[in-house]
Amino acid sequence: AAGVIQSPRHLIKEKRETATLKCYPIPRHDTVYWYQQGPGQDPQFLISFYEKMQSDKGSIPDRFSAQQFSDYHSELNMSSLELGDSALYFCASLLRAKGETQYFGPGTRLLVL
Amino acid sequence: GQQVMQIPQYQHVQEGEDFTTYCNSSTTLSNIQWYKQRPGGHPVFLIQLVKSGEVKKQKRLTFQFGEAKKNSSLHITATQTTDVGTYFCAVRGKTSYDKVIFGPGTSLSVIP
Repeated sequence: AAGVIQSPRHLIKEKRETATLKCYPIPRHDTVYWYQQGPGQDPQFLISFYEKMQSDKGSIPDRFSAQQFSDYHSELNMSSLELGDSALYFCASLLRAKGETQYFGPGTRLLVL
Repeated sequence: GQQVMQIPQYQHVQEGEDFTTYCNSSTTLSNIQWYKQRPGGHPVFLIQLVKSGEVKKQKRLTFQFGEAKKNSSLHITATQTTDVGTYFCAVRGKTSYDKVIFGPGTSLSVIP
């Protein structure tokens, strides 16, 4: 079965640079979630989208923005990167009508130098 | 802030031994979910519990939700090296499509 696809899988950036992370949800899934997981920590919810509209917002810095496109893929844009942004970024998707289980992608490992 | 706490933070067991991780909340929970994350991997949903006193089993894994819906446990019988990873309990919001708030996790190491 198709899973959530994230690209790139690894990314190295310098401080103050920008980064764009992409997420392709499971086909027919209409809801996308972004989570950030620091080293040795639990995933922290950043933001979610349903039918291309922001549905919930968590601890997402103002330097980050995200959107969901008409084909349901989502992008997380990160600007003015800081060392502390180094983390694993997971995207998860879900079909709202069926609910309950969020399927996580493999993650993008971002390293800010 | 974190809604749930987990203990222990780390657990090292000999292969074949049992393992239990506990999840506790100061408030009543509407549900509890459990995820497993292998080293270098992503969280994988294991199960959701919603009823007071609920017990569910998946092969060697037994999940319980406390009577007061303030605690939960995951018990693994006769651990195997494939059980290595971090086990997170998590709380989903009241709707089926709400965000998930993870606990701090218990990291399990299995010594062959």
